[in-house]
Amino acid sequence: AQSVTQPDIHITVSEGASLELRCNYSYGATPYLFWYVQSPGQGLQLLLKYFSGDTLVQGIKGFEAEFKRSQSSFNLRKPSVHWSDAAEYFCAVVKEGAQKLVFGQGTRLTINP
Amino acid sequence: ETGVTQSPTHLIKTRGQQVTLRCSSQSGHNTVSWYQQALGQGPQFIFQYYREEENGRGNFPPRFSGLQFPNYSSELNVNALELDDSALYLCASSHRGGGLREQFFGPGTRLTVL
Repeated sequence: AQSVTQPDIHITVSEGASLELRCNYSYGATPYLFWYVQSPGQGLQLLLKYFSGDTLVQGIKGFEAEFKRSQSSFNLRKPSVHWSDAAEYFCAVVKEGAQKLVFGQGTRLTINP
Repeated sequence: ETGVTQSPTHLIKTRGQQVTLRCSSQSGHNTVSWYQQALGQGPQFIFQYYREEENGRGNFPPRFSGLQFPNYSSELNVNALELDDSALYLCASSHRGGGLREQFFGPGTRLTVL
């Protein structure tokens, strides 16, 4: 069965610092990969996605993610965080043709002023 | 183009009651999926509807049921509510032809069971 691991439950960074959120997946083939962000009490907003091709993908709000097949990872990065980036971040995967997204447990990001 | 909308935003029920949540899919989308997000957890897939029929189900009991209407909107019904049903319920719409490459989520319905 597919699974997604986000090893860091909570991360705190200072405003202006760089950020990397980790995501590892377990699946035989390369699934489609997604990062979503969720502000408190809100739904999920898609940051970026990877299906194939260039392993470095750019998303909204200055985020990027790199797919590494050898490590089964899809880590999210941002060179300089803003206070408004404080939120919950979810990595998700789906097998081509499948009906469901499988989500990780999420990483809560806190920004120190 | 309208996005995915859900109603109500919040509701409070007591154990044993029944609840219906509603979702309007994004324009042009014909598939609706429902997810349950318990506090501090990632969303869990409940089921998906396409052409008014259930098209895949997660590990949820039969008291979770749904409907999809000809205009592609959908309902999630939960019978015999339990305390553990308290969660944020998310609806997502997509177009069958695109698989889940383009799936957009609604703002969710926060259900509290007392």
